[in-house]
Amino acid sequence: DSGVTQTPKHLITATGQRVTLRCSPRSGDLSVYWYQQSLDQGLQFLIQYYNGEERAKGNILERFSAQQFPDLHSELNLSSLELGDSALYFCASSMDGYNEQFFGPGTRLTVL
Amino acid sequence: EDKVVQSPLSLVVHEGDTVTLNCSYEVTNFRSLLWYKQEKKAPTFLFMLTSSGIEKKSGRLSSILDKKELSSILNITATQTGDSAIYLCAVERETSGSRLTFGEGTQLTVNP
Repeated sequence: DSGVTQTPKHLITATGQRVTLRCSPRSGDLSVYWYQQSLDQGLQFLIQYYNGEERAKGNILERFSAQQFPDLHSELNLSSLELGDSALYFCASSMDGYNEQFFGPGTRLTVL
Repeated sequence: EDKVVQSPLSLVVHEGDTVTLNCSYEVTNFRSLLWYKQEKKAPTFLFMLTSSGIEKKSGRLSSILDKKELSSILNITATQTGDSAIYLCAVERETSGSRLTFGEGTQLTVNP
């Protein structure tokens, strides 16, 4: 158990819908990262937040957005969902944004 | 664009064998290379290698970074069935933020 928590574990929804994934980092960690893992693309970096501020951005679609709240938990919002958005979404956290990242258990999103 | 290539993609061994997994990378302004083990779900952190720490060891696992050859190896000695997993290599670049670029992974199967 890495200490990073994610909810929900599973999410099944329909195309065109909007969902929110939630992540709580390890105690003391200030930085949160979001990754998408699909069978054909592997693990892809989406976005990083550090102490509430966006720090790095990867291959995140415009339909996706994220934020980190004052209590350091983070949410990833996915809207206008498409079949291709079906994937495992991981949250990771690190102490200061430069050290090793610890991954949460992931949220499996299925878009029907 | 940063690139990580792992080999082999798949490996089947018997318990007690020693294995070597390979990772080569191309990254602008290299900061670190990380190894993760992914079993059923979340990647679990193994090692982080940097210019100041090119060799790490933990129990039966060890890893070396070759900055000249832009590569790293992960060695597992006296393999056990519990070592069966996907081993992921990732690189991080020196930027104001932190983002990991992952390889495809090596699927290791250890048979009794």
